[in-house]
Amino acid sequence: GESVGLHLPTLSVQEGDNSIINCAYSNSASDYFIWYKQESGKGPQFIIDIRSNMDKRQGQRVTVLLNKTVKHLSLQIAATQPGDSAVYFCAENTNDYKLSFGAGTTVTVRA
Amino acid sequence: KAGVTQTPRYLIKTRGQQVTLSCSPISGHRSVSWYQQTPGQGLQFLFEYFSETQRNKGNFPGRFSGRQFSNSRSEMNVSTLELGDSALYLCASRNLNEQFFGPGTRLTVL
Repeated sequence: GESVGLHLPTLSVQEGDNSIINCAYSNSASDYFIWYKQESGKGPQFIIDIRSNMDKRQGQRVTVLLNKTVKHLSLQIAATQPGDSAVYFCAENTNDYKLSFGAGTTVTVRA
Repeated sequence: KAGVTQTPRYLIKTRGQQVTLSCSPISGHRSVSWYQQTPGQGLQFLFEYFSETQRNKGNFPGRFSGRQFSNSRSEMNVSTLELGDSALYLCASRNLNEQFFGPGTRLTVL
């Protein structure tokens, strides 16, 4: 499943499939980007980050891609599991120590 | 290592009242940031404190204020509460770039 384009608020994906969540950021001076996962009733949880001098970074079952030319960030989740159901936020960090968050994508995993 | 803790977890206030929320960062973290989360506006940055000094501030009215103590614990205060202040208030402590969020305080203004 994929949230195509700049941003879609919801994404439904079959268990076991790969998920792709897209995000557009606004500040070309941002030097650091983070993906967070937020489950109901909890605060955002760090998933993976990437610095602006990189275009790809891999973690456990997750990959973040950064395209600075079009100011686009994506999160790929491999073999999506029911526990991956949550709201996913991208965030950009400028040099002034604050994070600007995207609107969030709600991922629902179908059994 | 204990995570970020916030108290109280839930709070109900009426318009015109004031409220103080508390945040204890992860041990050793000196930076504490506050965010407001609402369904309409999403996650918005309020302010950040480092070594008891406000280092950055978001676009919120002066009714929103904060402070940080010498042990890095932080409080935020909202005076003259409005209905629109109902939100989840999140605190995050930071080590270098990675921010760790607490569970938040759910504030309801009636």
